[in-house]
Amino acid sequence: SQTIHQWPATLVQPVGSPLSLECTVEGTSNPNLYWYRQAAGRGLQLLFYSVGIGQISSEVPQNLSASRPQDRQFILSSKKLLLSDSGFYLCAGEGPTGAKNIQYFGAGTRLSVL
Amino acid sequence: AQSVTQLDSQVPVFEEAPVELRCNYSSSVSVYLFWYVQYPNQGLQLLLKYLSGSTLVKGINGFEAEFNKSQTSFHLRKPSVHISDTAEYFCAISSGGSYIPTFGRGTSLIVHP
Repeated sequence: SQTIHQWPATLVQPVGSPLSLECTVEGTSNPNLYWYRQAAGRGLQLLFYSVGIGQISSEVPQNLSASRPQDRQFILSSKKLLLSDSGFYLCAGEGPTGAKNIQYFGAGTRLSVL
Repeated sequence: AQSVTQLDSQVPVFEEAPVELRCNYSSSVSVYLFWYVQYPNQGLQLLLKYLSGSTLVKGINGFEAEFNKSQTSFHLRKPSVHISDTAEYFCAISSGGSYIPTFGRGTSLIVHP
């Protein structure tokens, strides 16, 4: 199985500051990667997914962007944070062939924008 | 399009009692179904999955779920819960043509002593 590393675990940022959250994958190659945001009581909102280096698909218009500079690295960014960007951010990787559609999640980053 | 409905946002139950968390889905094609568990301030981890074959699937921690195609349901059950089962549970669906899953809004299982 694969392991998803995500950091930092918590982050407090002022409104208008930039953001960079990093996610790295261990144990597989060429995974599909995902960024989700989780608001309390509202389930998981898919923000971005990537099927390969430099390939990013955005699910919802927002203040955030994503990049995949390497096969096992997925970065979530913002130039200027808004209050509404607060939430719990989860990175996930999809299982390899033989573990179809199974997602492996990182431990998450709790972002508070003040 | 596919969708997942978790009918209960919160399920309180006493320790050692049985529990069922309900999940209904909608999809026009064949589906894969999943239950994930999330403990406080952690990521999600897979409890069990249905890809094909037997409609009764067993997962970790004594949980099981039954795929019912006619009722488009995939309810999660455990015959006797523990305090440590207190967590958020998510039902998810993906279909053969797309690897992108759709998650339900989650059910908070609260086990009381």
